[in-house]
Amino acid sequence: DGGITQSPKYLFRKEGQNVTLSCEQNLNHDAMYWYRQDPGQGLRLIYYSQIVNDFQKGDIAEGYSVSREKKESFPLTVTSAQKNPTAFYLCASSRRQGNSYEQYFGPGTRLTVT
Amino acid sequence: GQQLNQSPQSMFIQEGEDVSMNCTSSSIFNTWLWYKQEPGEGPVLLIALYKAGELTSNGRLTAQFGITRKDSFLNISASIPSDVGIYFCAGQGEGAQKLVFGQGTRLTINP
Repeated sequence: DGGITQSPKYLFRKEGQNVTLSCEQNLNHDAMYWYRQDPGQGLRLIYYSQIVNDFQKGDIAEGYSVSREKKESFPLTVTSAQKNPTAFYLCASSRRQGNSYEQYFGPGTRLTVT
Repeated sequence: GQQLNQSPQSMFIQEGEDVSMNCTSSSIFNTWLWYKQEPGEGPVLLIALYKAGELTSNGRLTAQFGITRKDSFLNISASIPSDVGIYFCAGQGEGAQKLVFGQGTRLTINP
């Protein structure tokens, strides 16, 4: 089946540790995105990538890093510099529909840092 | 930056009732998308709109792209328990590579 996978579903880390969240897609989409969602809140963009080996900061990139070495993969590292890392993290990818981009989301990873 | 105002923030309705929610923008959008998110899951795309005035249905869901290009509406007819969730609007400006999301409308249904 085509889709976006994120692993693991739940992740627990101690404060001060870096942690990497996985995102893989087999939809042959060029663009990929990482969002953060806090309880009762909307989605905030962390980083996005339009093509392999290129990515741009979103609205809340501080304390995060990404890489895009393969079209299918866009891992997100939450560094120890992120002050409030506990959140629900969502990965998305998009195709181009005319001049518009429809984004499709993965199931999310809930990160808890204590 | 661009902002979306989505309303209402929450709705509590009886099963069988119709639902209406909307999003307004401070700037013009070329695309409006509506998503539904269930607890602990990623948002699922429900409807995509590409032209001002466009009216599109997906089962009991109907969405419209406002003629001013600054707003969009989502209606759900004859609600059922599985409609429970958070509904997000998202818009994309011309040439923009990012979506702007609304804050969501939380729908609760009393059986």
